[in-house]
Amino acid sequence: KAGVTQTPRYLIKTRGQQVTLSCSPISGHRSVSWYQQTPGQGLQFLFEYFSETQRNKGNFPGRFSGRQFSNSRSEMNVSTLELGDSALYLCASSLEQGRSYEQYFGPGTRLTVT
Amino acid sequence: AQSVAQPEDQVNVAEGNPLTVKCTYSVSGNPYLFWYVQYPNRGLQFLLKYITGDNLVKGSYGFEAEFNKSQTSFHLKKPSALVSDSALYFCADARAAGNKLTFGGGTRVLVKP
Repeated sequence: KAGVTQTPRYLIKTRGQQVTLSCSPISGHRSVSWYQQTPGQGLQFLFEYFSETQRNKGNFPGRFSGRQFSNSRSEMNVSTLELGDSALYLCASSLEQGRSYEQYFGPGTRLTVT
Repeated sequence: AQSVAQPEDQVNVAEGNPLTVKCTYSVSGNPYLFWYVQYPNRGLQFLLKYITGDNLVKGSYGFEAEFNKSQTSFHLKKPSALVSDSALYFCADARAAGNKLTFGGGTRVLVKP
């Protein structure tokens, strides 16, 4: 099976712009989660989608949003970019929603905000 | 309070020697513990998990971890380290609602030939 794919892999944006990142989960996986990874804050949970519904949300401002489509693909959007949004954004998929299911991560999208 | 902690920022070990990466968890509730590894410019790869059952969990690439309730620890171990094991290792807890993983700060492992 193909793994989790994320596009684009690298992105450079300017402060104030918005950006959309895309994630395709492993075939058959229905849950998609997003994480932000920075040197200072480490890995932080953004949100989780299951059956096209946001099931869980981390402690991020409303500028961060996401959605999931009927084929389980997911997108996340960041509006009004700030310098501090520069990070590696990781998408992870799991078979079902539930604590016992391991998550499989994509390679990430490296976002640089200038 | 952080649900998992990795007390070492970096671990150095010689190739062929045993490798241990430490993780401790907070005691509230029942932990759902995971280990992931991240290679440069890559996402995280799942190594193993403890949900319930045997305290010794075997995972990918020869890694294993022992769940120790009395010491609230879940240390990752490999009997004989390889240079290719050099990477960033994360311990994570899934006790929060849904699929949310709470990660430790990560431990960088450097295996020297």
